[in-house]
Amino acid sequence: QQQVKQSPQSLIVQKGGISIINCAYENTAFDYFPWYQQFPGKGPALLIAIRPDVSEKKEGRFTISFNKSAKQFSLHIMDSQPGDSATYFCAASIRDSSYKLIFGSGTRLLVRP
Amino acid sequence: GAGVSQTPSNKVTEKGKYVELRCDPISGHTALYWYRQSLGQGPEFLIYFQGTGAADDSGLPNDRFFAVRPEGSVSTLKIQRTERGDSAVYLCASRPTGANVLTFGAGSRLTVL
Repeated sequence: QQQVKQSPQSLIVQKGGISIINCAYENTAFDYFPWYQQFPGKGPALLIAIRPDVSEKKEGRFTISFNKSAKQFSLHIMDSQPGDSATYFCAASIRDSSYKLIFGSGTRLLVRP
Repeated sequence: GAGVSQTPSNKVTEKGKYVELRCDPISGHTALYWYRQSLGQGPEFLIYFQGTGAADDSGLPNDRFFAVRPEGSVSTLKIQRTERGDSAVYLCASRPTGANVLTFGAGSRLTVL
């Protein structure tokens, strides 16, 4: 019930391509869905987030698509750059609780020059 | 400070020893979280503080783990009788009241030999 399932585990994309990472959840009480980016030796940093009352949110090259009926959401990175190479985590939380985040298992993205 | 500060950045200890990990949150952030990140995995929730009190300690794996935040600012995660399975990166995050964005520190990497 508390799990957030993330795929793929790893992803290799050519520079300029589109990177797509998918997540699915079970708990319908989740109402906040952030994506975090983590570089080696650093802590996760918030990249972009969405609430379930919208189906899409775009910030620069990063877009979250949200499908409430399917309980799925995805991160799209347009025009992927080598500097985007990092591990990406989806997460979910319940607004009326502690904002405790439940994380997916992560996707290691490598963008080749 | 400007961000969440965690010390030490690296700790190597022997099985059975006692360890303390420190977190200095962003000034004014009332909420503080500890997470554990094993190699290749997403962060796993351990404990959440609102002010000085532990509001949710449901993620602590057993009674060898304990955390305090006596003055509502700095927090210490304490691990007794360390085991090799405790080896991981321990992440701290903080959040201001009313906001839903967690800001993470760089973590403390614990290695138990």
